[in-house]
Amino acid sequence: EAGVTQFPSHSVIEKGQTVTLRCDPISGHDNLYWYRRVMGKEIKFLLHFVKESKQDESGMPNNRFLAERTGGTYSTLKVQPAELEDSGVYFCASSRARQHTEAFFGQGTRLTVV
Amino acid sequence: GQQVMQIPQYQHVQEGEDFTTYCNSSTTLSNIQWYKQRPGGHPVFLIQLVKSGEVKKQKRLTFQFGEAKKNSSLHITATQTTDVGTYFCAGRNYGQNFVFGPGTRLSVLP
Repeated sequence: EAGVTQFPSHSVIEKGQTVTLRCDPISGHDNLYWYRRVMGKEIKFLLHFVKESKQDESGMPNNRFLAERTGGTYSTLKVQPAELEDSGVYFCASSRARQHTEAFFGQGTRLTVV
Repeated sequence: GQQVMQIPQYQHVQEGEDFTTYCNSSTTLSNIQWYKQRPGGHPVFLIQLVKSGEVKKQKRLTFQFGEAKKNSSLHITATQTTDVGTYFCAGRNYGQNFVFGPGTRLSVLP
């Protein structure tokens, strides 16, 4: 079974530019989560999809961040325009059911805004 | 909102020594999960605890959920160099999403 894959693995962009991160969850996993880890701090929740619907987006920092999951398969997270404080590692995770199952994490995308 | 803390932030041990990390939540949890992230890697699920006072073991790892379901611990017996990494707890309040702690980074000196 293929794991959660994320693309790109690294991205370096200038402040003000746009970046789109992609996440392909494990096939059959309806739940998809986005997290961010900044400068070795805690892993912060951003967003939770159930299929194509946003179940919880309370962790999205501001309106410069837009997440989509058209068709309930892969998801994208767009940052526009990027700011310096957006730098960090963005993790995507998926799970079958939210309550009592483990989340499988992707390798993450390391975003550096300069 | 819910806060999850972990102590210590860093721990350096000699190979063969024991290691314990503690996780504390500001609110009562429905369940708690533990993850391990190797340097340069991604979080990997270790275990989930659901019941008050629950204790689970995985080889040299022992996980415990507090009676009040507000704290948890991970204990590693006789650490090995393969145990190096950051250990995260993630607590879930009823009906909410998991909130991760800041992690405990473990270094094991050979």
